[in-house]
Amino acid sequence: NAGVTQTPKFQVLKTGQSMTLQCAQDMNHNSMYWYRQDPGMGLRLIYYSASEGTTDKGEVPNGYNVSRLNKREFSLRLESAAPSQTSVYFCASTTPRGLPSYEQYFGPGTRLTVT
Amino acid sequence: AQSVTQPDIHITVSEGASLELRCNYSYGATPYLFWYVQSPGQGLQLLLKYFSGDTLVQGIKGFEAEFKRSQSSFNLRKPSVHWSDAAEYFCAVGARTGANNLFFGTGTRLTVIP
Repeated sequence: NAGVTQTPKFQVLKTGQSMTLQCAQDMNHNSMYWYRQDPGMGLRLIYYSASEGTTDKGEVPNGYNVSRLNKREFSLRLESAAPSQTSVYFCASTTPRGLPSYEQYFGPGTRLTVT
Repeated sequence: AQSVTQPDIHITVSEGASLELRCNYSYGATPYLFWYVQSPGQGLQLLLKYFSGDTLVQGIKGFEAEFKRSQSSFNLRKPSVHWSDAAEYFCAVGARTGANNLFFGTGTRLTVIP
C-alpha cells in the first residue's frame, strides 16, 4: 500500500514549456486534489476532483488543467509554464465525507522550477 | 468565506519545554478541524483532527489540540518538545457540506533548541 504517489519529484522547465504532473492513489479514495505550496502562503487548492469523472476549480486554477483519468489517477498539466508557477505541488486524496476518516492524505510533492 | 489564521510565523523553543501553536478560523458554522505537520522536504502528515464530541483531541507524537467554539480557535499543544518535532505545522479547516475541500493556514515553523 503505497498511499499517494507523485512523479516526478523534481522538474526544471523553461518558460513556455509544458509538462504533466502525475498522481496516483491506491486507497480507493473518491476525491483527489492538487495544491501548490509557496513560502509564507501555506497550501492553496488548484483543482479538485470530488469523484471519478468530475473536476472543479479551486482557489488558484489559472494556468493549469487537470484530468481525472480513473479513480486512481489525477494529473495536473501546465500548458505553458511561467516563472510564477515555480512552486512545490502536492497531490492529496480523501475518503468520502460521512465516513470516519475524512482527512486528506498527501503525496511527497513535486518541486518545480520554471526559468 | 472560510479562512484560517496562524499568527505565529516562526516559534523557537528549547527541547523539553512546552509548546502551543495558535490557530484561529473564520467559518459560518462549526467546521472540521485538522493539524498537519510537514518535515523538511516531505509531504504533510496528519497529527490530529476534530469532528465532534470531546473538544480536547489527542493526536500522534504526543500532541493534543483544544477546540474552543467561543474563540474560533483550535490551538495545538505539546507538554514537552523533542528535537524531532522541528518542522512546519499547518492548521486546516474543512466544510461539513459540499466538497471535501480543506483551507489551510500559512503555517508555523518550529525550531527546537537543544
